[in-house]
Amino acid sequence: AQSVSQHNHHVILSEAASLELGCNYSYGGTVNLFWYVQYPGQHLQLLLKYFSGDPLVKGIKGFEAEFIKSKFSFNLRKPSVQWSDTAEYFCAVNAGVRGNKLVFGAGTILRVKS
Amino acid sequence: GAGVSQSPRYKVAKRGQDVALRCDPISGHVSLFWYQQALGQGPEFLTYFQNEAQLDKSGLPSDRFFAERPEGSVSTLKIQRTQQEDSAVYLCASSPHRLPGQGRETQYFGPGTRLLVL
Repeated sequence: AQSVSQHNHHVILSEAASLELGCNYSYGGTVNLFWYVQYPGQHLQLLLKYFSGDPLVKGIKGFEAEFIKSKFSFNLRKPSVQWSDTAEYFCAVNAGVRGNKLVFGAGTILRVKS
Repeated sequence: GAGVSQSPRYKVAKRGQDVALRCDPISGHVSLFWYQQALGQGPEFLTYFQNEAQLDKSGLPSDRFFAERPEGSVSTLKIQRTQQEDSAVYLCASSPHRLPGQGRETQYFGPGTRLLVL
């Protein structure tokens, strides 16, 4: 069965600090990878996704993620966080079978101090 | 444009009570998903519809959970004889299904229904 691990459940950063959130998945075949974000009081929304091609994917609001197949990882990065990036971040994987269901990690709560 | 909507947003039920949760997907979206999110966890898949056909119900935790989408648009998730462990946020998501079977489509999530079973 597919599973997704997010290593840090809570992260606290000061504004302008760099961010890297870890995500590892367990699935040996071709995968589609996603990062979703949930801002306080809002619903889940897509940050970025990777299917194939360039393993460095750029998303909205200056976020990017790098797919490293040999490490089964898809870490999320941002060079300089802002207070408005305070949110919960979810990594998810979809192996493209049985109707496209997403398997999510447990989430990382990011708090950015102003 | 309208996104995915869910109702009610909050539901308090007594143990043993039946509840029905509604999802209105984005107009024209073929695929509809239900997820359950327990406190401090990520969403977990419950079931998936393509139009009115329920193609995957492997995530439904017990036969007390039932979902339907009779006309291929609005969906209802019903939980019979609720138990305390059913307390969670129930999320609905829809996608256009332009790329069937490849798992590449973005799923658009609703705000969720927070269910508390006392």
